[in-house]
Amino acid sequence: QVQLQESGPGLVKPSETLSLTCTVSGDSVSNNYWSWIRQSPGKGLEWIGSIHNSGSTTDNPSLKSRVSMSIDASRNQFSLRLSSVTAADTAVYYCARLLYSSGILLDHWGQGTLVIVSS
Amino acid sequence: DVQMTQSPSSLSASVGDRVTITCRASQSINNYLNWYQQKPGKAPKFLIYAASSLQRGVPSRFSGSGFGTDFTLTISSLQPEDFAIYYCQQSYSPPYTFGQGTKLEI
Repeated sequence: QVQLQESGPGLVKPSETLSLTCTVSGDSVSNNYWSWIRQSPGKGLEWIGSIHNSGSTTDNPSLKSRVSMSIDASRNQFSLRLSSVTAADTAVYYCARLLYSSGILLDHWGQGTLVIVSS
Repeated sequence: DVQMTQSPSSLSASVGDRVTITCRASQSINNYLNWYQQKPGKAPKFLIYAASSLQRGVPSRFSGSGFGTDFTLTISSLQPEDFAIYYCQQSYSPPYTFGQGTKLEI
């Protein structure tokens, strides 16, 4: 079955760049779209963006172009970078598979990883 | 952005009860509406897409309906494992926004 696992630092300093990787098993990152979502107590669930192996990306304008995403097909991974972080970026970050079917759906999620922004 | 508003924010119910959660979109989203269930410390679990289509493996006591701006999630006979937080999400246009959640409590 499809499984996703997030990894990366749990603590990032303000103004630095948050970097997370999602490792996929049971599917190829060369197929489908892949997405990042975060969840913080103050803002609930927030869709960050999505990427396809073709290079096509879509991200949330609320993040003011701080987001970049990439895919490493050789490792079956995709990654998120969020620059110039502040305390407001503290959240549990999830990766998920995104499918197009009557709109989009997020059918498989990683377990999530907590990232705290603090000096 | 499409704003999603759920009601109620929390709901107390008992095993065997029938419950309905409402989700309203700030503009018409046709039937592009998903529902997720989240339990404490876990990732959201995908339940329903296209407003009323059950994901494979989701029990038939879950059902969804609606079109345009108003949608509902109904659980016909609550089971102990159904006590969780439920989120709607519009899948009409990015950014794919979520409702604030409805906490279903015993």
